[in-house]
Amino acid sequence: GAGVSQSPSNKVTEKGKDVELRCDPISGHTALYWYRQSLGQGLEFLIYFQGNSAPDKSGLPSDRFSAERTGGSVSTLTIQRTQQEDSAVYLCASSWGTSGIDTQYFGPGTRLTVL
Amino acid sequence: DQQVKQNSPSLSVQEGRISILNCDYTNSMFDYFLWYKKYPAEGPTFLISISSIKDKNEDGRFTVFLNKSAKHLSLHIVPSQPGDSAVYFCAASDRPTSGTYKYIFGTGTRLKVLA
Repeated sequence: GAGVSQSPSNKVTEKGKDVELRCDPISGHTALYWYRQSLGQGLEFLIYFQGNSAPDKSGLPSDRFSAERTGGSVSTLTIQRTQQEDSAVYLCASSWGTSGIDTQYFGPGTRLTVL
Repeated sequence: DQQVKQNSPSLSVQEGRISILNCDYTNSMFDYFLWYKKYPAEGPTFLISISSIKDKNEDGRFTVFLNKSAKHLSLHIVPSQPGDSAVYFCAASDRPTSGTYKYIFGTGTRLKVLA
């Protein structure tokens, strides 16, 4: 596809369960980012990948959150033992990863609801 | 500590008039700024950007102004159209200087253009 895709579009889970969110970046984009948007808030940075490595994990809110990227393409964000405060829209973005100005392009997001 | 602030959560403008969306920032190391537009149930869409070496960038109906001394930027939409109704996010980056890849987002301003 031409743009960033994410799945599922919606996820409802019970507190304490694990969830996996998937992101397919734009083909050829080496950089991939995860953000989340909680109700009434701006977008909060979670983690950044360059290729398969994650040089910046500074935004992950707790050790329940982890992410991986394989083959320099698809990324999975995993939240273990979900809590109600994890409810948010999780957004993935990708970019060329080049030096200088490097615009990020976003997917439609996954809306996570933890009951 | 909110480094990027959008103090107006909402704005209503009559069709054909000018819409002015404001954004303030606190980090003087930010040197690249972007505006994104977001429709419900979609990811943010890149709209326009500006580097700190400029004070104005124009793209069709959209113009972004940057006042570095005041740490303030604004997005002007002229003329406003009903299809412009969306949430607008201001974002900042200090990547060219720090190598940090994440964007810092404001909380957004909901624009409603009245027909």
